[in-house]
Amino acid sequence: SQTIHQWPATLVQPVGSPLSLECTVEGTSNPNLYWYRQAAGRGLQLLFYSVGIGQISSEVPQNLSASRPQDRQFILSSKKLLLSDSGFYLCAWSVRQGKGPSNQPQHFGDGTRLSIL
Amino acid sequence: AQTVTQSQPEMSVQEAETVTLSCTYDTSESDYYLFWYKQPPSRQMILVIRQEAYKQQNATENRFSVNFQKAAKSFSLKISDSQLGDAAMYFCAYRRTGTASKLTFGTGTRLQVTL
Repeated sequence: SQTIHQWPATLVQPVGSPLSLECTVEGTSNPNLYWYRQAAGRGLQLLFYSVGIGQISSEVPQNLSASRPQDRQFILSSKKLLLSDSGFYLCAWSVRQGKGPSNQPQHFGDGTRLSIL
Repeated sequence: AQTVTQSQPEMSVQEAETVTLSCTYDTSESDYYLFWYKQPPSRQMILVIRQEAYKQQNATENRFSVNFQKAAKSFSLKISDSQLGDAAMYFCAYRRTGTASKLTFGTGTRLQVTL
């Protein structure tokens, strides 16, 4: 069965510090990968998605970047965190288009709560 | 651009009763998919139910069912025989076909279940 791991679960960082959140998927190959941010009391906003190694699409301009160095690894980064980067970050995966039923849902990790001080 | 609207920030239901959560969406596409996700206090996102736009039959998963009205662009979730474990944030989500499965989420409805 497929599993998705996301860490750390909680992170407290000072303003201006770097960030690296990691997400890995097991039990599947060539997944689509996603990073979402959920602000307090809000819905999920898609930040980045990836359909393959080295292929990153950004949905909104921001202080963050994403990378996919391996097929099942997706990393969310920042060189200098801002207060507005606080939130709950969720990684997700789905079956790549064309390799499964097209109604495949996204499967989410447990999330990382990021607090910027 | 597609948008998803959940007009009920909070709902409350008594245990064993039925509750309906509303969702409307805006799209010019004819083929797409709709989902309901549940987010309990643990913050995990759990898929509850999915609906293909080309299917007229409403999806059902045990105590969860949807009322999909394509012309009205409405996708409500009905929870029957509500249980304490149903208490959570519920998010409606939309996905076009052929776009890397990107999901557009509504702002969520917080469901409380009372004794």
